[in-house]
Amino acid sequence: GQQLNQSPQSMFIQEGEDVSMNCTSSSIFNTWLWYKQDPGEGPVLLIALYKAGELTSNGRLTAQFGITRKDSFLNISASIPSDVGIYFCAGQGNDYKLSFGAGTTVTVRA
Amino acid sequence: GAGVSQSPRYKVAKRGQDVALRCDPISGHVSLFWYQQALGQGPEFLTYFQNEAQLDKSGLPSDRFFAERPEGSVSTLKIQRTQQEDSAVYLCASSLSQNNEQFFGPGTRLTVL
Repeated sequence: GQQLNQSPQSMFIQEGEDVSMNCTSSSIFNTWLWYKQDPGEGPVLLIALYKAGELTSNGRLTAQFGITRKDSFLNISASIPSDVGIYFCAGQGNDYKLSFGAGTTVTVRA
Repeated sequence: GAGVSQSPRYKVAKRGQDVALRCDPISGHVSLFWYQQALGQGPEFLTYFQNEAQLDKSGLPSDRFFAERPEGSVSTLKIQRTQQEDSAVYLCASSLSQNNEQFFGPGTRLTVL
């Protein structure tokens, strides 16, 4: 089973709003990753974090690797319609395996 | 360049049938991974290949699941005597080496009736 707790499970946003989601783990990870998955597609990597405390941006996306190495958050600023989708956090320990959260579904409120 | 491709994209099987799912990784990628994604969940690791060697099959849920990569390129995930609980999206990912970014294919959605 999955060991990552991702929240919120779903969210409705209005265009232009900022979005925030987070992930916690009972295990320590060396790498935190954030993916986006569109319907019928595989996950696509958005941001990778390699160091505790690291804060990284990719356009309107900002993510942080928690100091305890057991948590991470992702912020999306000024959301646009194409931000709709499912966002997954993933942690990677000393090996190659990725452990994924259950996902946060982002929907645009009409 | 071409990404990871998987076929078929959709597969419907009757309970008890055998199925074979194919993955074409990105050319030159040494590492290949299979994940299972149940509805409403994140992907879960099944197995890992480095070239043609299957180095880790700890995530395979039962001995009905078998994966191979005989020439170190294309991989096939085979499920024998499918059960309803096998219904899921099966994702393949490849990377240059085991600790590089994993690029995912679009997945095969398997439905077992």
